[in-house]
This record gives sequence, structure tokens and C-alpha cells, in this order.
Amino acid sequence: QKEVEQDPGPLSVPEGAIVSLNCTYSNSAFQYFMWYRQYSRKGPELLMYTYSSGNKEDGRFTAQVDKSSKYISLFIRDSQPSDSATYLCAMVESWGKLQFGAGTQVVVTP
Amino acid sequence: DAGVIQSPRHEVTEMGQEVTLRCKPISGHDYLFWYRQTMMRGLELLIYFNNNVPIDDSGMPEDRFSAKMPNASFSTLKIQPSEPRDSAVYFCASRRGSGSLDTQYFGPGTRLTVL
Repeated sequence: QKEVEQDPGPLSVPEGAIVSLNCTYSNSAFQYFMWYRQYSRKGPELLMYTYSSGNKEDGRFTAQVDKSSKYISLFIRDSQPSDSATYLCAMVESWGKLQFGAGTQVVVTP
Repeated sequence: DAGVIQSPRHEVTEMGQEVTLRCKPISGHDYLFWYRQTMMRGLELLIYFNNNVPIDDSGMPEDRFSAKMPNASFSTLKIQPSEPRDSAVYFCASRRGSGSLDTQYFGPGTRLTVL
């Protein structure tokens, strides 16, 4: 079993809809949680991070962590075609090593 | 800032040939990471350096893979001999600082195809 599980999608939504992405993990040692966005033929870029249970907002993006369930989510409100990308969750171990999920491909149609 | 620079962007080679991938990290960054991304296995850490010294190479799949960082502005990942299963996108990333939340900045990747 992988330490980080993420549905690869693709997830197709109409413009303006809410995109809901999630990951589950098995390693309790993970202390921090990140979301990366990867456009086609590009490297991943950090979108946001969180380190405690609860919600964190950044504009149209909300990251949610439930450590008791080992479950993290990313919500994108008012989705735009420019949000079409692959979203990777990443779990951070103590020294900063990233353990990535498989990535979920999101397609926002106009 | 030019960001992390990787070359070549695309490489097509035949099985058995030597392949060298190159990376120039962001100036001032003291950590450098090499990753491999495939559909089957996702994004995997191969090796990372701190101040040009290899710290953890446990992700390097086989002895056919080797990485060097001769100075703070250059690193190479070499595959010799290459095999079709090495086909993947290889990313280099760099980071300043050792904090768990210090951001890793990824390069554009090298798409390797081994025929």
C-alpha cells in the first residue's frame, strides 16, 4: 500500500463549479501537507501548505486537513479554465522530504 | 530570477546508450533534488544534495544511475546504460534552507525516451 493515495482522475467540471480534491495517507509521521499544481509539460509549483487540522484559505483555494482521519482536501471555488492542471498532494516528513500523491488531473470546461 | 534550469528538455536515445541530464539550481539555494515522474509511479525522489554533498540516494533505482554536483550551480544525473523502463520525465528542484516548509522550486523537466 502506498503511503499517499490520490485518485488520478481525470476530474472534469464546468467553469464556475467547485473543484474538490483529496488525498489519504497512512504515515502518522507526516507533519505538514502541501498542494502542488502542475501544468502540462511544466514542473510542479507550490500552491499552498498547511500543518494543522482545520482549514486554510488563500483566495479561491481552501486546504483542509483532518489528521485524525489522515485525510486532506483542496477546494477550488469559482473554477476557471486556467485552473486546468494536475494537482498533487505532498506530505512532508521531519526534514522536509516530500512524499507525493499520484496527482489528480482537473479539466475545467468553459 | 531564471528559476531552475534543466537541459536538455527532450532526449530520445536507444537502449544501452549513456544519458546525461543537467541542472542549474536557483542561485543561493543549498539543496538540490532529482525526481522522476511516470504515470505508474508518480513523482519519486531519486537523490538530494546539501551544499553539493549527496545526502540520501536511497531512491536511485539501480547502479546504472549516478548523480554528481561538482559545484553549487551545476548537477548531473547520468544513466548508463539506459533501458526503455527509464523513460520518464526527470525533474530537478532546488531549495534554500533546511526547514520543513521551505519551498522546493522545480525546473521544467527533461522528457527522456529510451527506445
